[in-house]
Amino acid sequence: AQSVTQPDIHITVSEGASLELRCNYSYGATPYLFWYVQSPGQGLQLLLKYFSGDTLVQGIKGFEAEFKRSQSSFNLRKPSVHWSDAAEYFCAVGASGSSGDKLTFGTGTRLAVRP
Amino acid sequence: DAGVIQSPRHEVTEMGQEVTLRCKLISGHNSLFWYRQTMMRGLELLIYFNNNVPIDDSGMPEDRFSAKMPNASFSTLKIQPSEPRDSAVYFCASSLGLAGVYEQYFGPGTRLTVT
Repeated sequence: AQSVTQPDIHITVSEGASLELRCNYSYGATPYLFWYVQSPGQGLQLLLKYFSGDTLVQGIKGFEAEFKRSQSSFNLRKPSVHWSDAAEYFCAVGASGSSGDKLTFGTGTRLAVRP
Repeated sequence: DAGVIQSPRHEVTEMGQEVTLRCKLISGHNSLFWYRQTMMRGLELLIYFNNNVPIDDSGMPEDRFSAKMPNASFSTLKIQPSEPRDSAVYFCASSLGLAGVYEQYFGPGTRLTVT
């Protein structure tokens, strides 16, 4: 069975600073990897996803993530954070086929942005 | 497209009452997910339908919870009888296919309070 670990529960960064949110996964085959964002009072929205090919994936709102198979990681990055990026971020790993059909979410990282 | 539609947005009820949450999928989507989110337990998958068939209901807490898809575009989640520990935000999401592969589109959620 797959699993996802987001080691940071809360992160605070200053506006304009760079950001990296960590995500580690456990899965026996090539995973489908996702990052979702949840703004206060709203549902989750997809930021980006990785299925295959280029390991550096570009998403919406200026976010990117890099798949590193050797480290079982899929960290989310943004070069310059805006106050509107304050939200909760969820990493997720998907399985399909003989491994079953399931999307497993991490526990989330809450991002606060200092003015 | 209107996105995933959930109703009601807020529900306050007394312990023991029946609660019905409703969800309309995005047109053309064939997978439906019900999630529950609380501070203590985070985001939990309750049940997943594909082509109106329940695929994974392992997250349904107990017999008090039931979910149906009377047609391809609509679903209900019923709690009977409700208990204070059911208080949470309930999200519905839909997608074009397999849970582990396709982006899930989330509704705005129903905030349920059971007193």
